[in-house]
Amino acid sequence: KNQVEQSPQSLIILEGKNCTLQCNYTVSPFSNLRWYKQDTGRGPVSLTIMTFSENTKSNGRYTATLDADTKQSSLHITASQLSDSASYICVVIGGSQGNLIFGKGTKLSVKP
Amino acid sequence: DARVTQTPRHKVTEMGQEVTMRCQPILGHNTVFWYRQTMMQGLELLAYFRNRAPLDDSGMPKDRFSAEMPDATLATLKIQPSEPRDSAVYFCASGPVWTGTTGELFFGEGSRLTVL
Repeated sequence: KNQVEQSPQSLIILEGKNCTLQCNYTVSPFSNLRWYKQDTGRGPVSLTIMTFSENTKSNGRYTATLDADTKQSSLHITASQLSDSASYICVVIGGSQGNLIFGKGTKLSVKP
Repeated sequence: DARVTQTPRHKVTEMGQEVTMRCQPILGHNTVFWYRQTMMQGLELLAYFRNRAPLDDSGMPKDRFSAEMPDATLATLKIQPSEPRDSAVYFCASGPVWTGTTGELFFGEGSRLTVL
């Protein structure tokens, strides 16, 4: 069954600290993986996309990694800011019909 | 700037009433999705349209939910009759022709539905 599992479910860190969010998937065949950020009360917004051949990609303080062999991705946030407080959703594109399979997200709270 | 527009933003209704949510996708996007989000389940796909044709509505309770695209600028999601378990945030998202490969979706701000 095509599934996307994210961990932890929630996370609280202090402003300025780093954190890493995990995404494990069982989707096959795999096409791409995308991380979305969802602020409270808003719709999700795409942060970055990882294709099969990419291992690491950075977008400012966000760095995404992909290990297609172990079917794992991570999102690392450096020097966290209060504005990073949000839910982060991992979406895997794949399956026999090119479906978008969503994880349930990790809720990150950054405290001052 | 281009954005997906959803109405209403908030809706409180009583059990048994009809609810209609509307979505205006980004001009030029040919794929439209309806999702439901709850704390417990995250984002669940309800319906998916490409070029206004419904491709997948397997996630939608057929007896009470219906989704349509009367034209390229309007998508609707209707619940009749509504039940308390339908309380959730409903998101519409649109994407360009390559969405099925890249997963690039543009979400609206959501319609928060509360059924009493």
